[in-house]
Amino acid sequence: SAVISQKPSRDICQRGTSLTIQCQVDSQVTMMFWYRQQPGQSLTLIATANQGSEATYESGFVIDKFPISRPNLTFSTLTVSNMSPEDSSIYLCSVDLAGTGALSGANVLTFGAGSRLTVL
Amino acid sequence: EDKVVQSPLSLVVHEGDTVTLNCSYEVTNFRSLLWYKQEKKAPTFLFMLTSSGIEKKSGRLSSILDKKELFSILNITATQTGDSAVYLCAVGYYGGATNKLIFGTGTLLAVQP
Repeated sequence: SAVISQKPSRDICQRGTSLTIQCQVDSQVTMMFWYRQQPGQSLTLIATANQGSEATYESGFVIDKFPISRPNLTFSTLTVSNMSPEDSSIYLCSVDLAGTGALSGANVLTFGAGSRLTVL
Repeated sequence: EDKVVQSPLSLVVHEGDTVTLNCSYEVTNFRSLLWYKQEKKAPTFLFMLTSSGIEKKSGRLSSILDKKELFSILNITATQTGDSAVYLCAVGYYGGATNKLIFGTGTLLAVQP
């Protein structure tokens, strides 16, 4: 299975600032997914990042607030812009094991360790 | 609107007990149902279910899917303190250009010694 390195693991940020989260995968993957988990809530998909094209955002999430880069098949970044306390969450990147035999296309996601952001 | 509902929201048991966690769903273009265990931050994969009535087992954990009644259960027998975690149910569906997952809110399991 893929190994995903995500950083920072945690940060405390001031209102109005922006923070970029990095996600590095140890193998080439077509799609990477960014999720948010607000306190006491489940995971919500923010966007899907494909290499060589613009990210696809879910309802309620916009590129201006959560710009994403995907410069190659092993790396992606998510920026949380102009942060407010409501952005305090764990942000997780994940990859799909699609293309690996029996799990192909089955949405068996492997997650990074997550980035816990606290906005004051 | 697509949704995944888990119950109970939380559960406290003693070591050695057997627990059953529930997951019901209403999701268009269903492809699969997955169970994850979340202990600190990163969820870890437990099971993937695509067919009704076929039990998946891994040690003390097992799971089964009913696609007619739109639910799944996760059983844990002889629970141990290391089973304490949030258990997430997720449904995979075809969301246009790609496959996606929708997660339930999870069941918080606490196993006491």
